[in-house]
Amino acid sequence: EVQLVESGGGLVKPGGSLRLSCAASGLKFSDFYMNWVRQAPGKGLEWVGRIKRTSAGGTTHFATPVKGRFTISRDDSSDTLYLQMNSLRTEDTAIYYCTTDMLFWGQGTLVTVSS
Amino acid sequence: QSALTQPASVSGSPGQSITISCTGTSSDVGGYNSVSWSQQHPGKAPKVIIYEDTKRPSGVSDRFSASKSGNTASLTISGLQPEDEADYYCYSYTSSDTWVFGGGTKLTVL
Repeated sequence: EVQLVESGGGLVKPGGSLRLSCAASGLKFSDFYMNWVRQAPGKGLEWVGRIKRTSAGGTTHFATPVKGRFTISRDDSSDTLYLQMNSLRTEDTAIYYCTTDMLFWGQGTLVTVSS
Repeated sequence: QSALTQPASVSGSPGQSITISCTGTSSDVGGYNSVSWSQQHPGKAPKVIIYEDTKRPSGVSDRFSASKSGNTASLTISGLQPEDEADYYCYSYTSSDTWVFGGGTKLTVL
């Protein structure tokens, strides 16, 4: 059974940083493109960014609102995906989900940006 | 990239069928076999019920079906049940190498 477990969410002040993790199991992690998706309170889903599998170059791509502030990395040796979020803004407040190829989803971790 | 267009809400009675539309462009919905649909109950993570336009993941009821014509994809739920009441989102891969979501549709089972 595929499992994705996000962690690292919490309360952070505007301008601060946070790193989210997503631990994967039940799949060959290195084979998958991985994505982050977020959902602001009471709002719809928004794609954040993705990282290709390492064998495809491991390149990243981001949505315009987070470009230049967020980075995505992966550690295939530990089947873990990361989202480094810098220069956080109040509008980044959301539940952050990791997903494989947009098919399998984790349960999400809440990030709150507030002073 | 503009969001895909979904109706804000739909409703139906138990046993009836409903259809939710999802309209994009030739750069997303119409350009790839990559439309997915997810179901989200309050406070829960999204659950994929359709992927690659028309495929159902293992374990998803065959009451859920999907189709696509041009730049519009559709999700049909037949034999509505109370537990189908949820938010439904469509999303698609795009020519910009990104993913784009619809705004979501709230399904009410009367």
